[in-house]
Amino acid sequence: EAGVAQSPRYKIIEKRQSVAFWCNPISGHATLYWYQQILGQGPKLLIQFQNNGVVDDSQLPKDRFSAERLKGVDSTLKIQPAKLEDSAVYLCASSLGVSNLKNIQYFGAGTRLSVL
Amino acid sequence: GESVGLHLPTLSVQEGDNSIINCAYSNSASDYFIWYKQESGKGPQFIIDIRSNMDKRQGQRVTVLLNKTVKHLSLQIAATQPGDSAVYFCAENIQNSGYALNFGKGTSLLVTP
Repeated sequence: EAGVAQSPRYKIIEKRQSVAFWCNPISGHATLYWYQQILGQGPKLLIQFQNNGVVDDSQLPKDRFSAERLKGVDSTLKIQPAKLEDSAVYLCASSLGVSNLKNIQYFGAGTRLSVL
Repeated sequence: GESVGLHLPTLSVQEGDNSIINCAYSNSASDYFIWYKQESGKGPQFIIDIRSNMDKRQGQRVTVLLNKTVKHLSLQIAATQPGDSAVYFCAENIQNSGYALNFGKGTSLLVTP
């Protein structure tokens, strides 16, 4: 079974530029998550989708971050404009999400963003 | 403040010894917990999970213990191997909050020969 795919693996941009990340979840997984992981810390949830609807985006900095999952499969996360403090690894995860009984999230390798 | 935390940021053990990684949580509504392993340059990898109606669960070489009285979770790794060197995170899911997980800061496990 193919895992969660993310691209690109690395991205270097200057502050105030824009950047986009792409995620393809495990086939059949209804729930998709984007996390931000700053060096030395645990992942922090940015946004959660159930199919193509947003379940939780309370921690997404909406003035500069946006995400979509238009067809309920792939998702993109965009930052515009980027700030220095956005330097982090952006992780995508997916889960079956059909109940709260067993919600194992499977993660991609992440995109490492450096903002200069 | 952060709901999930770890007692020690780093842990060094000798190959073949058992490792114990601890985690404290503060939200009594947490009903599901997962341990993840993260190697350098990779995403977190699922190790083992436990629901709040259990106090122990065993996997291959790993055991998770849950003490709801003191809101404490531990991961035990038997016969630790060099390949176990990584950062370990515990994560909690709060009942009725959806499926998102709240991660702690992580413990770095270093296995020495």
